[in-house]
Amino acid sequence: DAKTTQPNSMESNEEEPVHLPCNHSTISGTDYIHWYRQLPSQGPEYVIHGLTSNVNNRMASLAIAEDRKSSTLILHRATLRDAAVYYCTRRGKLVFGKGMKLTVNP
Amino acid sequence: EAQVTQNPRYLITVTGKKLTVTCSQNMNHEYMSWYRQDPGLGLRQIYYSMNVEVTDKGDVPEGYKVSRKEKRNFPLILESPSPNQTSLYFCASSLRGTANTEAFFGQGTRLTVV
Repeated sequence: DAKTTQPNSMESNEEEPVHLPCNHSTISGTDYIHWYRQLPSQGPEYVIHGLTSNVNNRMASLAIAEDRKSSTLILHRATLRDAAVYYCTRRGKLVFGKGMKLTVNP
Repeated sequence: EAQVTQNPRYLITVTGKKLTVTCSQNMNHEYMSWYRQDPGLGLRQIYYSMNVEVTDKGDVPEGYKVSRKEKRNFPLILESPSPNQTSLYFCASSLRGTANTEAFFGQGTRLTVV
């Protein structure tokens, strides 16, 4: 029921921006898009969520396509601490997929 | 401090010996959920609860039971554990089971069934 698609993995360099994509082509009009991340040996943590408009918080930005079939999580300056598995989910029952592993190179 | 607390953090048990993993939150959240995480399979939902006395199956409920007698607690019960339930378990909670509320996760319980 995750119904979101992410790449299995991505690499980025430290202090560069990184754009993490997610496809959710079957999203309904009331589904919020949520992003969580899981650092090694920790439980998942909330990153950001949105419905239609782009959203910003202290951790990241979320860009939502106009048709809402895709979204992009933007880390403006990746740090080594951002290396994690990132999960994009349509918030309903809070179902997750396999996520996407982000590697940040020094 | 707002948190979701799971106990124990680590558990080794034998096949067939009933066990309970506790989950407690101090944020007065209505929604709670259990997940298991296995290599290559991501987070899979076991059970969730929209509020007290309201529980429902997730994607992988076989072999598990839950109860929600009070808002803060959502224990996961394995009546007769088997080795295929060896996994890392996470509990989560959110203010409501609706879309506009963030979820908080516990630190996990690593269960080994031998």
